[in-house]
Amino acid sequence: EAGVTQFPSHSVIEKGQTVTLRCDPISGHDNLYWYRRVMGKEIKFLLHFVKESKQDESGMPNNRFLAERTGGTYSTLKVQPAELEDSGVYFCASSQQGRTNEKLFFGSGTQLSVL
Amino acid sequence: AQSVTQPDIHITVSEGASLELRCNYSYGATPYLFWYVQSPGQGLQLLLKYFSGDTLVQGIKGFEAEFKRSQSSFNLRKPSVHWSDAAEYFCAVGRDNYGQNFVFGPGTRLSVLP
Repeated sequence: EAGVTQFPSHSVIEKGQTVTLRCDPISGHDNLYWYRRVMGKEIKFLLHFVKESKQDESGMPNNRFLAERTGGTYSTLKVQPAELEDSGVYFCASSQQGRTNEKLFFGSGTQLSVL
Repeated sequence: AQSVTQPDIHITVSEGASLELRCNYSYGATPYLFWYVQSPGQGLQLLLKYFSGDTLVQGIKGFEAEFKRSQSSFNLRKPSVHWSDAAEYFCAVGRDNYGQNFVFGPGTRLSVLP
């Protein structure tokens, strides 16, 4: 079974440019989460999809960040325009719907460097 | 508000030595507690979790953790470290098992000497 995959693994862009990160969850997982770890600090929640709907986006830092999940499958996280403080590692995770023994599966992350 | 501290940013141990990684949390009720590990180039992998019941929890790869309510701690232990354990370890707390409610600690990087 394929795990959660994220593309690209690394991205280096200049301030003001646009970057789009992609996450492919495990097939059949309705829950999809985005997290971010900035400057070696703690990993912080960004948002949560249930299928194609945004369930909770309380962690999104500002309106330069736009997340979508087309058809409830893969998700993209766009940063436009990117700022220096957006540098960090962006993690995606997915899980099956339901409360009992729900387990999060994480991707390996996208390392974003904004110069 | 929930918070998690991991006092040790970086720990170095010799292979075969015992290991304890510290985690303290702040939470108003009984928390859900987790330890995750990230090896180089890999995603976060769940080592173990505590929801209720026995306060000593066994996980994968020979790890265990003990929930101590009186100390608000959930320290991770392993009796004998292997070189492959070199990674970054994250403690997390949540009010439930839903990922949007997780609060992660800053992580502890473990180096293992041959």
